[in-house]
Amino acid sequence: AQSVTQPDIHITVSEGASLELRCNYSYGATPYLFWYVQSPGQGLQLLLKYFSGDTLVQGIKGFEAEFKRSQSSFNLRKPSVHWSDAAEYFCAVGAGDTGRRALTFGSGTRLQVQP
Amino acid sequence: DTGVSQDPRHKITKRGQNVTFRCDPISEHNRLYWYRQTLGQGPEFLTYFQNEAQLEKSRLLSDRFSAERPKGSFSTLEIQRTEQGDSAMYLCASSNQGGSTSTDTQYFGPGTRLTVL
Repeated sequence: AQSVTQPDIHITVSEGASLELRCNYSYGATPYLFWYVQSPGQGLQLLLKYFSGDTLVQGIKGFEAEFKRSQSSFNLRKPSVHWSDAAEYFCAVGAGDTGRRALTFGSGTRLQVQP
Repeated sequence: DTGVSQDPRHKITKRGQNVTFRCDPISEHNRLYWYRQTLGQGPEFLTYFQNEAQLEKSRLLSDRFSAERPKGSFSTLEIQRTEQGDSAMYLCASSNQGGSTSTDTQYFGPGTRLTVL
């Protein structure tokens, strides 16, 4: 069975500082990996995704993520955080090669941005 | 492209009552998913449709839960005899994949927040 671990429940950074959110997954084959962002009371917005190819993936809002198979990680980064980035971030893994469509999500990391 | 829509956005009900939620996927998306999200947790998969066929159900989907997608467009999720433990955000997502390989991407709606008193 696949699983996702987001080790950091809550992170606080200063506006303009760099950001890295950690995601570790467990899956026996090549995973499909996603990062979503959720503002309070809202649904999830897709930031970026990895299916294959280049292990450094660019997304919206200046985010990027790097797939590292040897570390089973897919960490999300942003060089300079804006106050509007404050939200909850979820990493998810899909097992599309098995035919299953369900995504498995981590428990999320809440990002707080200090002025 | 108007995105995935869900109705209602909020529902408050008393324990034991039945509730029904609706999801309208992105037009022409052939796959539709339901997830449940409790406070402080990530979404958990409930069920998935391809067109009108319900192809996968989670163990979380007890007998009190039923989902339909009768014409392969919108979907409904009904919870019978609600319990306080059903209080959660119910999220719908849709995706489009014409081939047999799965590289489709799920796009989420705003969710329906259910509170059971």
